Amino acid sequence: AQSVAQPEDQVNVAEGNPLTVKCTYSVSGNPYLFWYVQYPNRGLQFLLKYITGDNLVKGSYGFEAEFNKSQTSFHLKKPSALVSDSALYFCAVRRTNQAGTALIFGKGTTLSVSS
Amino acid sequence: DAGVTQSPTHLIKTRGQQVTLRCSPKSGHDTVSWYQQALGQGPQFIFQYYEEEERQRGNFPDRFSGHQFPNYSSELNVNALLLGDSALYLCASRLGPPNPNTEAFFGQGTRLTVV
Repeated sequence: AQSVAQPEDQVNVAEGNPLTVKCTYSVSGNPYLFWYVQYPNRGLQFLLKYITGDNLVKGSYGFEAEFNKSQTSFHLKKPSALVSDSALYFCAVRRTNQAGTALIFGKGTTLSVSS
Repeated sequence: DAGVTQSPTHLIKTRGQQVTLRCSPKSGHDTVSWYQQALGQGPQFIFQYYEEEERQRGNFPDRFSGHQFPNYSSELNVNALLLGDSALYLCASRLGPPNPNTEAFFGQGTRLTVV
């Protein structure tokens, strides 16, 4: 069965410091991986995706993610955090067959950036 | 270009009642999925509609049903509401299930409270 794990419930970082939000996945076959962000009382906003190719994926708002097949990880990173980055972050995986296009989400990681 | 729109934004229902939630997909999108997000959890896939048919279903009881209209909009119906159905219901749209590498765009959700 496919699954996503986000091992940290909360990540705290000071403004200007680099941030990492961790994600590991389990899926048969090649994965399609996504990161979404959710602000309070809002839906999910797409940040970036990995489909194939370069292991380092660049996305919106200065975020990037590194795909590591051997470690089955897809960690979200940003070189310099902003207070406005504080939100709930979800990693998701989609199985790459035509019948399986549903997204499987992790439980989410709350990012708190202090000024 | 309007994104994914959902109505209503908030709803309070009594146990045993029935509820209908509505979703209009992003312009140009033909596939609609519904997710349930309980408090403190990641979104859970309910089902997906494409070409007015349910194409994929998650682990939800038959009390949860849906419909897709010719204009690609969709409804989620929940019968015999339980307290445990209280959650944020998210609608997501994307372009066609045969192309699994396209990202899903989410609406802001409908907050359902069952009392």
